[in-house]
Amino acid sequence: GAGVSQSPSNKVTEKGKDVELRCDPISGHTALYWYRQSLGQGLEFLIYFQGNSAPDKSGLPSDRFSAERTGGSVSTLTIQRTQQEDSAVYLCASSLRGSNTGELFFGEGSRLTVL
Amino acid sequence: ILNVEQSPQSLHVQEGDSTNFTCSFPSSNFYALHWYRWETAKSPEALFVMTLNGDEKKKGRISATLNTKEGYSYLYIKGSQPEDSATYLCAPSRGGATNKLIFGTGTLLAVQP
Repeated sequence: GAGVSQSPSNKVTEKGKDVELRCDPISGHTALYWYRQSLGQGLEFLIYFQGNSAPDKSGLPSDRFSAERTGGSVSTLTIQRTQQEDSAVYLCASSLRGSNTGELFFGEGSRLTVL
Repeated sequence: ILNVEQSPQSLHVQEGDSTNFTCSFPSSNFYALHWYRWETAKSPEALFVMTLNGDEKKKGRISATLNTKEGYSYLYIKGSQPEDSATYLCAPSRGGATNKLIFGTGTLLAVQP
């Protein structure tokens, strides 16, 4: 497909386990974002990749969270030792030109439930 | 950290009513202002990306204006329909290295048939 693809769409895990969420952006898009939406909350910025620049990790809530983007394409968000407060929908978005003028295209999200 | 404020938080209107909401943001080092529409159980979709002071953009019954000097944007919906029910998000972008998009908490619009 031509859109942003995220997997898994749903993930249920036990507290303390590690999880990996994957994002496959639109081909050719240089910018990639991770956001999350916790229950009743808005879109919370997590991390931003732009081309070959160092990622902006300022939104990651703790050192249990990390993300990488391999080859400027696919990105993986890893949450170690998951906690119940990590339960949320994790959204990935990509953009052709970066956030200044390029609109973001969002995936359908990965819903994480930590029991 | 960008301080983005959207008002009202929620809005209930009748079908056919026209409505508008506000996005306020710091005017310093402004570069672009994005509007997104987020329907329940779907992903956010871009409505407008605006960069010029005084700019007005329109898509069907939805339009937006931008005032970069005072730091606000208005989104207007003319003749609201039930399918317009969604959360409307704005996100300003600054120039330079800090050019990530930070979203406001949104305005939740409910249009009653």
